[in-house]
Amino acid sequence: TQLLEQSPQFLSIQEGENLTVYCNSSSVFSSLQWYRQEPGEGPVLLVTVVTGGEVKKLKRLTFQFGDARKDSSLHITAAQPGDTGLYLCARRDSGYALNFGKGTSLLVTP
Amino acid sequence: DAEITQSPRHKITETGRQVTLACHQTWNHNNMFWYRQDLGHGLRLIHYSYGVHDTNKGEVSDGYSVSRSNTEDLPLTLESAASSQTSVYFCASSEAGELYEQYFGPGTRLTVT
Repeated sequence: TQLLEQSPQFLSIQEGENLTVYCNSSSVFSSLQWYRQEPGEGPVLLVTVVTGGEVKKLKRLTFQFGDARKDSSLHITAAQPGDTGLYLCARRDSGYALNFGKGTSLLVTP
Repeated sequence: DAEITQSPRHKITETGRQVTLACHQTWNHNNMFWYRQDLGHGLRLIHYSYGVHDTNKGEVSDGYSVSRSNTEDLPLTLESAASSQTSVYFCASSEAGELYEQYFGPGTRLTVT
């Protein structure tokens, strides 16, 4: 199992601030998925990135896949309390099961 | 609307007892998965199935078993519950294909005393 390293582990910011979280591996991904998990619920898919250098936007969230396909970032502009949650990156090492990073826990306070 | 459900949502059991956690999906997905989530470890794969009568071991399968008798259900059994199995358990399903989303259930919080 190839490790996915996520950083930072915890992030506490005020509403309106920008932030970036990272997902890194020593090996190449064929694709990467980002999920968000709210307290007491299961993870929900935000985006899938496939091509090196790819950038995808989802409202105030911008996802980037590194050129070498070994890293990815998630940037949130003007964070809101509703963005609070655990952000997980995940990849498939073989088959269809996912290998998850440990996540970044984000708290946005009003 | 299609959905994936888990039951019970909360369970307290004693060490040594057999426990079964239910997972039911109405997406008609062939792929189903069980993960456990613990602080400091993230989500780890326990078992998975790619179709009826197919089951496979994941990263942390010791002490757990699954069976798949139909498309909709993948129950997870703890043969003899141990305190180390106290965790939150998530079931997920997906269509076949690398880029397909996994849909997660709401989780079962299991405490083994």
